[in-house]
Amino acid sequence: GENVEQHPSTLSVQEGDSAVIKCTYSDSASNYFPWYKQELGKRPQLIIDIRSNVGEKKDQRIAVTLNKTAKHFSLHITETQPEDSAVYFCAATEPNTGNQFYFGTGTSLTVIP
Amino acid sequence: KAGVTQTPRYLIKTRGQQVTLSCSPISGHRSVSWYQQTPGQGLQFLFEYFSETQRNKGNFPGRFSGRQFSNSRSEMNVSTLELGDSALYLCASSSGHLGTGELFFGEGSRLTVL
Repeated sequence: GENVEQHPSTLSVQEGDSAVIKCTYSDSASNYFPWYKQELGKRPQLIIDIRSNVGEKKDQRIAVTLNKTAKHFSLHITETQPEDSAVYFCAATEPNTGNQFYFGTGTSLTVIP
Repeated sequence: KAGVTQTPRYLIKTRGQQVTLSCSPISGHRSVSWYQQTPGQGLQFLFEYFSETQRNKGNFPGRFSGRQFSNSRSEMNVSTLELGDSALYLCASSSGHLGTGELFFGEGSRLTVL
């Protein structure tokens, strides 16, 4: 099955700086890569996703890049704000497998005011 | 629309007991999946149900089981509880058929096994 690795496990940045979280996956058949944000004590929520036919996607201050050849994808957050502090999970899924998502182990991001 | 609802939110059990957790998906969503969340391990896939059929199963022992009813509500059961089963169990519903749709998570059921 698919194996998703995520780094770093913790990340601290000053407010206004950028944050980058990286994930690698093992199965070249995976074609959908979402990112979820989980604030303390709350449920994970989708913040951005990318499909294998796209190399980059941006939504305001967040962007995701995908390198299919190297089998890695990254989350970029620019102009970080204290409300960006949360745990971020990357995930991957293969086509035609229903909704079986393989999640990374999470990155705890702290934005220091 | 009401979100995904999980009950109970918190529960404490002792080793050897069994537990049943319930999940009501967003109206119209036919896919319900379950994840176990533990510190340092992220979210680990347990199983997924679609139209009352188990479509996928993760690498968990047979003590973990589930089912889905005709109204898409789902339950998961853990028998012969072990200390290592202590975790947050998250349910997620989706309208996507082929794994390319957003997962909508519930707030989870936090299980503590003593």
